[in-house]
Amino acid sequence: GAVVSQHPSWVICKSGTSVKIECRSLDFQATTMFWYRQFPKQSLMLMATSNEGSKATYEQGVEKDKFLINHASLTLSTLTVTSAHPEDSSFYICSSAGPSNQPQHFGDGTRLSIL
Amino acid sequence: QKEVEQDPGPLSVPEGAIVSLNCTYSNSAFQYFMWYRQYSRKGPELLMYTYSSGNKEDGRFTAQVDKSSKYISLFIRDSQPSDSATYLCAMSAGNNNDMRFGAGTRLTVKP
Repeated sequence: GAVVSQHPSWVICKSGTSVKIECRSLDFQATTMFWYRQFPKQSLMLMATSNEGSKATYEQGVEKDKFLINHASLTLSTLTVTSAHPEDSSFYICSSAGPSNQPQHFGDGTRLSIL
Repeated sequence: QKEVEQDPGPLSVPEGAIVSLNCTYSNSAFQYFMWYRQYSRKGPELLMYTYSSGNKEDGRFTAQVDKSSKYISLFIRDSQPSDSATYLCAMSAGNNNDMRFGAGTRLTVKP
């Protein structure tokens, strides 16, 4: 099946640091990638939709200057949490999708802990 | 009213039991229905993917869609402790940009 690789799986860093998370679609070219945030025991919260070669579309309430998304190729999207603070600590998950009626396939997530 | 409603549980069953997980939805435009399994501290894994109404079986898993009632189900036969996870339903009208997720049901299968 489709494989999405997300890296790193866990990162701990100091407040004020910027953290970059990579999401790679290994089995197919992903025209669209998605970034989610998940709090403990809660469902997925869509943060933004990333389209190759164009600007990401952010959901209401998500600061685009805080969460920078780059989708430079059909197989790689990155999420950079800029000047991270403890309230940004969460589980971040990416997914990729091919043709529009196909399901999303998820990475294994990144646990971000800001001290 | 949320577009997709899913009882978060938790649901606890003995090993070997038949598990029934359900979601209801309000948007009649939804055509594609998915079930994902998410283990703790992992990303969701696609289990079942169906289009429109009907049943789909894959091993111990059966997905049912009743569009007239706006109701979908996932059945797990002969449940195993390894099935313990959170199960998320998801659905879309045909554009993966508009996928909607349920809250997820936490399932524990006890040996």
